[in-house]
Amino acid sequence: AQKITQTQPGMFVQEKEAVTLDCTYDTSDPSYGLFWYKQPSSGEMIFLIYQGSYDQQNATEGRYSLNFQKARKSANLVISASQLGDSAMYFCAMREGRANAGKSTFGDGTTLTVKP
Amino acid sequence: DVKVTQSSRYLVKRTGEKVFLECVQDMDHENMFWYRQDPGLGLRLIYFSYDVKMKEKGDIPEGYSVSREKKERFSLILESASTNQTSMYLCASSLIRTTNQPQHFGDGTRLSIL
Repeated sequence: AQKITQTQPGMFVQEKEAVTLDCTYDTSDPSYGLFWYKQPSSGEMIFLIYQGSYDQQNATEGRYSLNFQKARKSANLVISASQLGDSAMYFCAMREGRANAGKSTFGDGTTLTVKP
Repeated sequence: DVKVTQSSRYLVKRTGEKVFLECVQDMDHENMFWYRQDPGLGLRLIYFSYDVKMKEKGDIPEGYSVSREKKERFSLILESASTNQTSMYLCASSLIRTTNQPQHFGDGTRLSIL
């Protein structure tokens, strides 16, 4: 079974609107971290936001927020007030506590296109 | 700021050549990783290293080897390049001990094998 599932291969959003990118995960480890990365067409991977399994509140970083629903094992990324520069591929990733070497598992990604 | 530097953004090599991809990080991270990224397949882990001279196979190690002689440098080696190794290669590093540390990536190397 896939550990990280991103069910939306592609998404479109109108500029200035909000968009939610879905991510579900699967782990039996009580200690884990969830990450979102952005990859523009130029290729570099940019870390956006982190949510820990024990965090009581949803993480926020500027226009990015994470809708963390632990019981449902989902960690959706919400981008508010979309900008043209948000057009990119977005990856959800998980790092489990048992994996002491610090490996992360990545989803297949969602391509977001922001329309003017 | 953490800096992960990959030696080439674009590289073209011939079938059968031995190819070296170099990666250097400047933040004293224990972990270093090599991924391959292909359309529709996401990021696939080739090899990772959690210490000097230590390495572990990832999900797709066949046809690749790695070297980590110094903590800051992690090299990916294609022993005899083949056309199916044409891909985007990403190097990353992270701290070893905690789950709250993200991976920091280089800019990637787009490798074409002709």
